[in-house]
Amino acid sequence: GNSVTQMEGPVTLSEEAFLTINCTYTATGYPSLFWYVQYPGEGLQLLLKATKADDKGSNKGFEATYRKETTSFHLEKGSVQVSDSAVYFCALSLRGNRDDKIIFGKGTRLHILP
Amino acid sequence: EAGVTQSPTHLIKTRGQQATLRCSPISGHTSVYWYQQALGLGLQFLLWYDEGEERNRGNFPPRFSGRQFPNYSSELNVNALELEDSALYLCASSLVGIGQARGSEAFFGQGTRLTVV
Repeated sequence: GNSVTQMEGPVTLSEEAFLTINCTYTATGYPSLFWYVQYPGEGLQLLLKATKADDKGSNKGFEATYRKETTSFHLEKGSVQVSDSAVYFCALSLRGNRDDKIIFGKGTRLHILP
Repeated sequence: EAGVTQSPTHLIKTRGQQATLRCSPISGHTSVYWYQQALGLGLQFLLWYDEGEERNRGNFPPRFSGRQFPNYSSELNVNALELEDSALYLCASSLVGIGQARGSEAFFGQGTRLTVV
């Protein structure tokens, strides 16, 4: 089946540290890949996306590269801020009428200490 | 432009009652998705509506149902509420079905926090 696996949290870092949140996927077909972020008390916001192999999505200093050979889409940021504290979800979508939905990982909670 | 709006923001019900949650998609979006976010369980797909019809549903019992109106807004109904139904219910909309166009984005509302006591 189709699924997304991301690293368990919580992840706690100091401000200005380098961030990596690992994400791997299993998909029957050629998925589009997404990272969503959920700030405390809010809904989900799309952070970045990539639609084909070797594409790099980027936004707000975050980056992720679509790696078909390793079925991965790891999220990185060079220098995190306290305001980046949130829950991050890796997700995929597939073309096709019956699988027309986004499949999410379980989420990774990130705490950034000042 | 207004985003996806959900109402109410909070809802408290007793076990056995019915809950109705509402969602207004972004103007022009025809697809609406419902997800349940229970504590520690991530996001579970509930329902997908497109052009007024239910297109797909997740692994939830039939007491979870809904509909999409001609203006593309949507309602989620949960009958015979159980304590485990307590969760954040998120609605998302997209211009076309997620799987119809590569990279099609879904935009989420703030959610309705349902508490069953």
